[in-house]
Amino acid sequence: GAVVSQHPSWVICKSGTSVKIECRSLDFQATTMFWYRQFPKQSLMLMATSNEGSKATYEQGVEKDKFLINHASLTLSTLTVTSAHPEDSSFYICSARGPAGGEKLFFGSGTQLSVL
Amino acid sequence: AQKITQTQPGMFVQEKEAVTLDCTYDTSDQSYGLFWYKQPSSGEMIFLIYQGSYDEQNATEGRYSLNFQKARKSANLVISASQLGDSAMYFCAMRPQFGNEKLTFGTGTRLTIIP
Repeated sequence: GAVVSQHPSWVICKSGTSVKIECRSLDFQATTMFWYRQFPKQSLMLMATSNEGSKATYEQGVEKDKFLINHASLTLSTLTVTSAHPEDSSFYICSARGPAGGEKLFFGSGTQLSVL
Repeated sequence: AQKITQTQPGMFVQEKEAVTLDCTYDTSDQSYGLFWYKQPSSGEMIFLIYQGSYDEQNATEGRYSLNFQKARKSANLVISASQLGDSAMYFCAMRPQFGNEKLTFGTGTRLTIIP
């Protein structure tokens, strides 16, 4: 089936640095990808919708200048956490709708970000 | 606005028994889709089953079935003949049928299968 690849699976960084997370759709084109955030033992919260060739749509309360999203191609969306702080430590996971429409949303394997 | 409620934070079930995970929802949309995802400790989200609001029959996928009761706004997941590998977090989710593709998730149920 369709696969979404997310990289890296985990990252540790110092406070104040920026971290880039990649989300790739393998063998299919994804004009729209979604970025979620999950705190420990909590549910997934949508952060933003990434649209190929246009600006991302951010959910209320999500700082667009802090969480930069770029969807430059039909198979790649990136989330950059700028000037990361310990409170940004979380599990970030992306998803994309499968090829040829369909109801499934395929998820990446997630990225565990720890900011020291 | 859409809301998903999962009232069981955790469940323990004996191996080979069937288990029902509860999910109720609230929405003003006429057409919508309901999903169940499994999240093992590795973190990935694994799609299990989908039910459209206008589907007349309950969805089934192997050992998974969705008990859809539209009038009660419930979409419970039934896992038959549970296995040790079923131990994971399970999330119920929904989204409008058309246009907006955003998924709204419930808080999840941690299922533990006991050997």
